[in-house]
Amino acid sequence: EPEVTQTPSHQVTQMGQEVILRCVPISNHLYFYWYRQILGQKVEFLVSFYNNEISEKSEIFDDQFSVERPDGSNFTLKIRSTKLEDSAMYFCASGSRAQNSPLHFGSGTRLTVT
Amino acid sequence: AQSVTQPDIHITVSEGASLELRCNYSYGATPYLFWYVQSPGQGLQLLLKYFSGDTLVQGIKGFEAEFKRSQSSFNLRKPSVHWSDAAEYFCAVGPNYGGATNKLIFGTGTLLAVQP
Repeated sequence: EPEVTQTPSHQVTQMGQEVILRCVPISNHLYFYWYRQILGQKVEFLVSFYNNEISEKSEIFDDQFSVERPDGSNFTLKIRSTKLEDSAMYFCASGSRAQNSPLHFGSGTRLTVT
Repeated sequence: AQSVTQPDIHITVSEGASLELRCNYSYGATPYLFWYVQSPGQGLQLLLKYFSGDTLVQGIKGFEAEFKRSQSSFNLRKPSVHWSDAAEYFCAVGPNYGGATNKLIFGTGTLLAVQP
């Protein structure tokens, strides 16, 4: 069964550094998402992406965040200048155009900002 | 406001016992409802979903859930728990407008421990 893959599985970075989290969605999917889960808290929506542009974003997704689909397969989340509070598990998800299709999630990237 | 409540943060059951995980939602329209499971170090795996029709839905690994509109609930059940079911379970809701875009709202999760 096709799956969403994310790399790296764990990223450690220093405060103020830029990080790029990478995702390869399921190949025929058209809708892409980033969610995050701070340790011990709920999974939160960050951003959705369709047709090469952001379709919706949460208030968490400020100017420090950006997303890109640089080629036909990858979907990236960039954090320009990381803060301690950015430490979280980041999940990529993708969905197809098919009606009633659920989101498929990747296994996540655990980001630790020191 | 749209929200999902999972009132039980942590549940422990004995292997072979029945299980019910509670989920209540607040949503402005008829929602799509989901249960996801997250094993340690793993991603979110879809257990089951409800879109319309029969309010009792079957999922993978022997799980089922029942949608009760009058109670705004979507509780997850399993008649006999296995040790491998130990994980964190998330209830989620999404918009039901017939399309495929699903911005999901998640509950805080219920951590299930299974004792021998």
